Amino acid sequence: DADVTQTPRNRITKTGKRIMLECSQTKGHDRMYWYRQDPGLGLRLIYYSFDVKDINKGEISDGYSVSRQAQAKFSLSLESAIPNQTALYFCATSDAGGRTDTQYFGPGTRLTVL
Amino acid sequence: QKEVEQNSGPLSVPEGAIASLNCTYSDRGSQSFFWYRQYSGKSPELIMFIYSNGDKEDGRFTAQLNKASQYVSLLIRDSQPSDSATYLCAVNIGGAGNKLTFGGGTRVLVKP
Repeated sequence: DADVTQTPRNRITKTGKRIMLECSQTKGHDRMYWYRQDPGLGLRLIYYSFDVKDINKGEISDGYSVSRQAQAKFSLSLESAIPNQTALYFCATSDAGGRTDTQYFGPGTRLTVL
Repeated sequence: QKEVEQNSGPLSVPEGAIASLNCTYSDRGSQSFFWYRQYSGKSPELIMFIYSNGDKEDGRFTAQLNKASQYVSLLIRDSQPSDSATYLCAVNIGGAGNKLTFGGGTRVLVKP
């Protein structure tokens, strides 16, 4: 089984709808991240969490919110989806930090907002 | 100016040749540097990381770091068609936490 899973894998929705993307991990990592990827722009950090009680905004948090329900679960919500939120979304996890800390990515969710 | 810059490519190399990818970064306080490979429609997977000046080798891959010039490179020796992918450079600027800043990626095409 995959260490980092994301659901759904694909989602098509309409402008104004509320959408939740879910991420679960079995790696036992404390740190979890949400990124979006647009063609040619690499990965951009939306939110990150270093433990269950810690939530931090990334560089592009506007229009998004998150919930860390447990060490293993980190959800991303779009309260009112808009077309420019169409992108590939990745969840990632990492262990204890430090300069050699490595992030491991889930399979991604392709979101289309019409 | 972007914090982490990569040539978007595509970088076309013949099978068996060396592919050379470059990445420059703007923050002199950057502490560690990661190379990820991403196949089309798939998630990024770690190739290697480096944090000391010089070269670091892992199989057919060599990462090179020059902090004075603020660049990190990745060499792929004996390139194979299966190396055709987008390569992402990521930089850990340090400070609070382990946040990575990613470049836009370089697309590599290895032609048989």
